[in-house]
Amino acid sequence: SYVLTQPPSESVAPGKTARITCGGNNIGSHSVHWYQQKPGQAPMLVIYFNTDRPSGIPERFSGSNSGSTAILTISRVEAGDEADYYCQMWDTISHYWVFGGGTKLTVL
Amino acid sequence: EGQLVESGGGLVQPGGSLRLSCAGSGFSFSVYSMNWVRQAPGKGLEWVSYIGSTGSTMYYADSVRGRLTISRDNAKNSLYLQMDSLRTEDTGVYYCARLGAGFAMDVWGRGTTVTVSS
Repeated sequence: SYVLTQPPSESVAPGKTARITCGGNNIGSHSVHWYQQKPGQAPMLVIYFNTDRPSGIPERFSGSNSGSTAILTISRVEAGDEADYYCQMWDTISHYWVFGGGTKLTVL
Repeated sequence: EGQLVESGGGLVQPGGSLRLSCAGSGFSFSVYSMNWVRQAPGKGLEWVSYIGSTGSTMYYADSVRGRLTISRDNAKNSLYLQMDSLRTEDTGVYYCARLGAGFAMDVWGRGTTVTVSS
């Protein structure tokens, strides 16, 4: 089945920009979604359809998807953004919802 | 926006059974497809199963096919996961999630914990 690859961890200083990557074979031809999960909480959708933000998600969160890499960008990072982030897509061939392994974002 | 509340988790011995429930409220439950997603302790998210809005279409992850069965009762705004022949590797938090635009999971419950151990 399809595999999505994320770096296990990323670190960023407050006020800087964090970029979390999600790699996959020709992932740019698929719709990718991103979830934020804080410790002890359920995941929360932060980006869908590659670039769209659900209501209530700050404009600091944005997404892109092209070629073999999708990227979640968090601008002006705040301490409250520290969390695990997962990319996800729907594999139309195998009828699988595929998650990346997750990236732990640490705010220094 | 909607709310989902899971229940039914607990401690069960290997080979045992458990039935999880998920109650939906604040949205038209019957028009949405639903999923179960699980998370083993300290691990990432793993999709488990999908059911279409009418209950006529279901999909399963290879790791659970033949042992876990998804179902729904739209009259009761409820989603279920019948778990049989449980294994230790089925241990984790089980979330129900609503499927929204683009096959993204836009509403999640808080989860219910399943522990398979002797």
